[in-house]
Amino acid sequence: ILNVEQSPQSLHVQEGDSTNFTCSFPSSNFYALHWYRWETAKSPEALFVMTLNGDEKKKGQISATLNTKEGYSYLYIKGSQPEDSATYLCASLDTPLVFGKGTRLSVIA
Amino acid sequence: DGGITQSPKYLFRKEGQNVTLSCEQNLNHDAMYWYRQDPGQGLRLIYYSQIVNDFQKGDIAEGYSVSREKKESFPLTVTSAQKNPTAFYLCASSIDNLNTEAFFGQGTRLTVV
Repeated sequence: ILNVEQSPQSLHVQEGDSTNFTCSFPSSNFYALHWYRWETAKSPEALFVMTLNGDEKKKGQISATLNTKEGYSYLYIKGSQPEDSATYLCASLDTPLVFGKGTRLSVIA
Repeated sequence: DGGITQSPKYLFRKEGQNVTLSCEQNLNHDAMYWYRQDPGQGLRLIYYSQIVNDFQKGDIAEGYSVSREKKESFPLTVTSAQKNPTAFYLCASSIDNLNTEAFFGQGTRLTVV
């Protein structure tokens, strides 16, 4: 079973702070790395799907990088807002997706 | 609107009874998945299907069964053989099982009493 690790498990930041989380995955037989945002009482929604080493993707104030050789991805949030509060999940593709336990972000106004 | 629908949102069953959770999608996706979430755990894969009339066991398939008779539907049956059935169940679909994003339903919370 593929092992995907996320850190930290939870995070509390003040509004306006920038923050980042880590996703670690086995670098052998890599296919793709997914990031999802899961807000309370909603369905998880895809943020990014990344496939190439060195990939950098951005959506608004959220961005992600990928290092497939060393097996990690970072998710960055610049200037966090209360509406960014959610659980952020990463998943590595191993036919099919294997998810980490997530990072729960709370942004305090 | 296209999407993926799970029903019901909440489900209560007595111990020893089988129960079936519904998952329907109108996205024309080939691949569908069932995940389970427990407190403090990530999403764990129960079963997945890459195409109609075919499905594969995931990491925690024991005590569960599925069918994929139609492209749009992937129901999950929680049988009495599942030792700890109380959990949150999420269904998802994707265009294929490769590097495309998954779309999720809103989940079913099953409580067995």
